[in-house]
Amino acid sequence: GQQVMQIPQYQHVQEGEDFTTYCNSSTTLSNIQWYKQRPGGHPVFLIQLVKSGEVKKQKRLTFQFGEAKKNSSLHITATQTTDVGTYFCAGHTGKLIFGQGTTLQVKP
Amino acid sequence: DVKVTQSSRYLVKRTGEKVFLECVQDMDHENMFWYRQDPGLGLRLIYFSYDVKMKEKGDIPEGYSVSREKKERFSLILESASTNQTSMYLCASSLPMDTEAFFGQGTRLTVV
Repeated sequence: GQQVMQIPQYQHVQEGEDFTTYCNSSTTLSNIQWYKQRPGGHPVFLIQLVKSGEVKKQKRLTFQFGEAKKNSSLHITATQTTDVGTYFCAGHTGKLIFGQGTTLQVKP
Repeated sequence: DVKVTQSSRYLVKRTGEKVFLECVQDMDHENMFWYRQDPGLGLRLIYFSYDVKMKEKGDIPEGYSVSREKKERFSLILESASTNQTSMYLCASSLPMDTEAFFGQGTRLTVV
């Protein structure tokens, strides 16, 4: 079945460093969504990308959707301790399939 | 405010018991989902429903069934609980046409 792979699984950074997580799908996606889960919380929607090559920004977060609509990335510039959590990508092909997530730890 | 409510935050059940996990949403959403979350494996889709009485298998449906008799309620049933079903279970709902999903707070199920 459809698979959504996400790397890395964990990332430890010093506060102020940048962070990137990558997402790859085995099939073409109609769209890709990104979620953030704080420790002890539930996933919360961040953004949705629909168009091939689309780039969206939310303050220090930059989201990209690949030209072939099979991969995506989330880049955080100058991480802060509030960025701590697990970031998931999720692809739609009739059902919503999540990647394994990248857990970000930020050392102050 | 959007709300997805799961009936229990923590649950402990014995092996072989029939277990019901309930999820209710107040947003009149057509789509509802059940996921389980395990460390290193992310969220894995168990079942989803796109309408009342309609259901489709996700990636790991074995050992589970679901019921959707009313639009706002989606139940996950463990027919005979086993220790490998110890996990965090997350319910979500969304409008149709690939829109954002809203999650409940999760049920941490332990099967002993």
